[in-house]
Amino acid sequence: SQQGEEDPQALSIQEGENATMNCSYKTSINNLQWYRQNSGRGLVHLILIRSNEREKHSGRLRVTLDTSKKSSSLLITASRAADTASYFCAPEPGHGNNRLAFGKGNQVVVIP
Amino acid sequence: EADIYQTPRYLVIGTGKKITLECSQTMGHDKMYWYQQDPGMELHLIHYSYGVNSTEKGDLSSESTVSRIRTEHFPLTLESARPSHTSQYLCASSRAGGDYTFGSGTRLTVV
Repeated sequence: SQQGEEDPQALSIQEGENATMNCSYKTSINNLQWYRQNSGRGLVHLILIRSNEREKHSGRLRVTLDTSKKSSSLLITASRAADTASYFCAPEPGHGNNRLAFGKGNQVVVIP
Repeated sequence: EADIYQTPRYLVIGTGKKITLECSQTMGHDKMYWYQQDPGMELHLIHYSYGVNSTEKGDLSSESTVSRIRTEHFPLTLESARPSHTSQYLCASSRAGGDYTFGSGTRLTVV
């Protein structure tokens, strides 16, 4: 499957703690993207990391990419209640249709 | 600020009715997509388009149809709605190699 597969699928943490999510995929990629979805809404793009990059930061977000292990992680530091959402990773395959392949998502609950 | 718009936001309709879900984007993106998502579940691609007059079926079989007569507009039509079509429908657009911009979705309930 070209889909990203997130782990864990559900995560519950206290406000102020860090949240780490992992994503694995199976094919070569051009880039890998992370998205966030609040309940009942559309997805919002968070960060894109290209296949030749190993780490990327955006505010409280840190994304790593290990193409040798075909895995990525998303770290949210100092979590807030407003971070409660589902987080999806989406690898863009390096061949074929180049369409993003969304996984099932990580459901993160931040308890105030 | 949303640059991609979906209407209606919510729709409750009777079985057998024809419906069209609207999706418009103002970013000039060539690529547009329709996804179907049940609550708490993964996204399933049902249609996509890489430009005007180009439409393709996605990974999940769907009884819906789409059209792309203008770059900015990508409507989805169900000729005869059934309860099994009850779901959330998400529209998205992108440039080649870029990130996707999603609309807020249409939550469809067929009774």
